[in-house]
Amino acid sequence: GAVVSQHPSRVICKSGTSVKIECRSLDFQATTMFWYRQFPKKSLMLMATSNEGSKATYEQGVEKDKFLINHASLTLSTLTVTSAHPEDSSFYICSARDYTSQSPYEQYFGPGTRLTVT
Amino acid sequence: AQSVTQLDSHVSVSEGTPVLLRCNYSSSYSPSLFWYVQHPNKGLQLLLKYTSAATLVKGINGFEAEFKKSETSFHLTKPSAHMSDAAEYFCVVSFRGGNNRKLIWGLGTSLAVNP
Repeated sequence: GAVVSQHPSRVICKSGTSVKIECRSLDFQATTMFWYRQFPKKSLMLMATSNEGSKATYEQGVEKDKFLINHASLTLSTLTVTSAHPEDSSFYICSARDYTSQSPYEQYFGPGTRLTVT
Repeated sequence: AQSVTQLDSHVSVSEGTPVLLRCNYSSSYSPSLFWYVQHPNKGLQLLLKYTSAATLVKGINGFEAEFKKSETSFHLTKPSAHMSDAAEYFCVVSFRGGNNRKLIWGLGTSLAVNP
């Protein structure tokens, strides 16, 4: 089955620094990837949709200058949290769609990255 | 507008008894509906999906869900709970937003299975 990985799984950083999270589709090409944020005991909130070779589409209320998304290849999308603050601490999850599969609208999820900003 | 409501934030059952996790949706179009499971410290896993074929959908690990258009419901059931079923469950509706198909997530139901 389709596998999506994320790196790192956990990261702790100091306030004011930037953190990059990678999302990779391991056995398929993903023209579209999604970035979600999940707060404790809360549902997933879609942050942005990342299309390979073009600018990401951000959801309302998500700061595009704070959460930089790059989808430079068909298997890799990155999310960079710039000038991180404690309120950015959260669980970040990516997903990817495999357009060549029999279920092109199904999203495959990465295991998530726990970000803690001190 | 698309929305999804999970009617119970927490459900507790005894091992071997039936599981019912309730989900209602609102959609202007014929929806695609999903149930995902999230175990602690693990990624989201698709349990089952409804995409306008058979209304009774069978998924993995013995779970199934029935799409009822008249009730706008997509409840998740399992005849006999197992300890390993303890996890967070999300009901999700899919719709087209712009050039992409997006997912709207319910708030989740935490399932506890007691020995």
